[in-house]
Amino acid sequence: AQSVTQPDIHITVSEGASLELRCNYSYGATPYLFWYVQSPGQGLQLLLKYFSGDTLVQGIKGFEAEFKRSQSSFNLRKPSVHWSDAAEYFCAVVSSISNFGNEKLTFGTGTRLTIIP
Amino acid sequence: EAQVTQNPRYLITVTGKKLTVTCSQNMNHEYMSWYRQDPGLGLRQIYYSMNVEVTDKGDVPEGYKVSRKEKRNFPLILESPSPNQTSLYFCASSLSPPVSYNEQFFGPGTRLTVL
Repeated sequence: AQSVTQPDIHITVSEGASLELRCNYSYGATPYLFWYVQSPGQGLQLLLKYFSGDTLVQGIKGFEAEFKRSQSSFNLRKPSVHWSDAAEYFCAVVSSISNFGNEKLTFGTGTRLTIIP
Repeated sequence: EAQVTQNPRYLITVTGKKLTVTCSQNMNHEYMSWYRQDPGLGLRQIYYSMNVEVTDKGDVPEGYKVSRKEKRNFPLILESPSPNQTSLYFCASSLSPPVSYNEQFFGPGTRLTVL
């Protein structure tokens, strides 16, 4: 079954430093991949998604992600983090399609990002 | 403002006492879904609805019921809650399936504790 793994449970970076959050997927064909952010007390918000084409995907809030088939990875990056980026980040993959056409998203376990001044 | 609302936001209840968590969206979305979020497990889909009167099970439907009588509402019903249903619940909606093409909008979450 399709799945995603987020190896880092918790990452701490200094404000202004660069960020990379790791996501590895398990899927035979070209996956549909997503990154979501969950700010404290909030629901999830879509940052970006990858279907096909250009392997470098730009998202909102200055985030980008690069799809690397050879490494089965879809890592999220930001060149310079802001204190407001402190949140939990989830990678997700479309894992199945039902007879009714429902595309099921399988989420990773999340990476909590802490920003220090 | 376009949004998904959930009520209540916090709920503490006891085993066996039926409860309903409401979900409403004002975006005329066809597709709605319920997830539960547990530490170390990410989000798992409970039920989804492709449109009015069309619902189906997700990954973890046991112990839950849903209904979709109106397009805007998708309540989650726990007929006899148990402690293992203590979790953070999210409702989500999107214009239509598939979710890969249409962004899902999430509600703020309902934190449920079953004693």
